Amino acid sequence: EVQVVESGGGLVQPGRSLRLSCTASGFTFGDYAVTWFRQAAGKGLEWVGVIRSKAYGGTTVFAASVEDRFTISRDDSKSVAYLQMNSLETEDTAVYYCARGVYDSSGYLDTFDIWGQGTVVTVSS
Amino acid sequence: DIQMTQSPYTVSASVGDRVTITCRASQSISNWLAWYQQKPGKAPKLLIYKASNVESGVPSRFSGSGSGTEFTLTISSLQPDDFATYYCQQYRRYPLTFGGGTKVEIK
Repeated sequence: EVQVVESGGGLVQPGRSLRLSCTASGFTFGDYAVTWFRQAAGKGLEWVGVIRSKAYGGTTVFAASVEDRFTISRDDSKSVAYLQMNSLETEDTAVYYCARGVYDSSGYLDTFDIWGQGTVVTVSS
Repeated sequence: DIQMTQSPYTVSASVGDRVTITCRASQSISNWLAWYQQKPGKAPKLLIYKASNVESGVPSRFSGSGSGTEFTLTISSLQPDDFATYYCQQYRRYPLTFGGGTKVEIK
């Protein structure tokens, strides 16, 4: 079964760090981008960041609200991507989702087709 | 940033109704638009990508259209499983942005 599963969420104090994992199965992980999204309780969806596949440089792009605090990395040998969240703020409280990013023949991200079930991050003292 | 505006905010409809949701982009995004369905406590589910391509496994009653700045999601005959919140998303430029969502409720 093609799937991604997030893990690593929990309760953390403001200013502390947390690392989320996105573990894939059922497909060749290294061929795809990995995108992180989040959703605060009762709110809409927000894009957090993306890591491209190695074929497209393995580079990352982030939302302005997190770009100085969050990083994304990937270990294709383990089919895992990581979202490292530093200097967490109460506004970072949300369900975090990872999603598979599919490239089209021109190298553009075509779809975000497989989403995980999400992991809850609560930032509170 | 590209702003995405969905309307209406809520749709009250009955089983069998035709439902149309509109999404407007603040600048042209060509056809780089996706639609998602989300049910309470669940992850979003991709319905439509590149404005009009129906994702594999999605019922044929769902369709998408539009290009540039105006897009629509149509459910041709609403089914009980379709009561959910729907989001549009542009992926023409970073940051990726979503519309505010449209909740489809039972009338």
